Amino acid sequence: GPKVLQIPSHQIIDMGQMVTLNCDPVSNHLYFYWYKQILGQQMEFLVNFYNGKVMEKSKLFKDQFSVERPDGSYFTLKIQPTALEDSAVYFCASSSWVNTGQLYFGEGSKLTVL
Amino acid sequence: GQQVQQSPASLVLQEGENAELQCNFSSTATQLQWFYQSPGGSLVSLLSNPSGTKHTGRLTSTTVTKERRSSLHISSSQTTDSGTYLCAIDHQGGRALIFGTGTTVSVSP
Repeated sequence: GPKVLQIPSHQIIDMGQMVTLNCDPVSNHLYFYWYKQILGQQMEFLVNFYNGKVMEKSKLFKDQFSVERPDGSYFTLKIQPTALEDSAVYFCASSSWVNTGQLYFGEGSKLTVL
Repeated sequence: GQQVQQSPASLVLQEGENAELQCNFSSTATQLQWFYQSPGGSLVSLLSNPSGTKHTGRLTSTTVTKERRSSLHISSSQTTDSGTYLCAIDHQGGRALIFGTGTTVSVSP
């Protein structure tokens, strides 16, 4: 089936540094999402993105977070500066215009902030 | 906001047994998806079923929109079915899906 690729699969950084998580969505999809899952806890919505803009975001999407997809390349989540509580697995998802509502997820990027 | 509750929290099965997982939600939903999350953490979409009944393989989902509930039936369970099953609903008509806490299924041989 359709594949969403995420890079890196795992990153370890020091608190206060910047990190960028990359997502290569399904090729004809137009809507992009980031979710956060702390180990053993619930999957939580962060943000979704369409046509170059943030459409919806949750309270977890702090000011230190930003998303973009420059010129149709990777859809990215940037955290600057990182905090200890940002340690989690971040999942990217995408959905198409035609198949409304069906989200396809990547394998996740595990972020460890020391 | 949308609340999604899943039951039971966990389930232990003998291989070959059937299972019924429940999902209840607080507000009207136009999108509903069932996902499987493996013990390693990867997420797989099983079914998109905002209303009615859908089948795929050994899985059957029935959603009764007016009653704000959905079920996922696993027939003839296998050890490879072990993992967490997540129900996700759209949030106030938006495109974002809100996830339940999941049902952890453990199937022993």
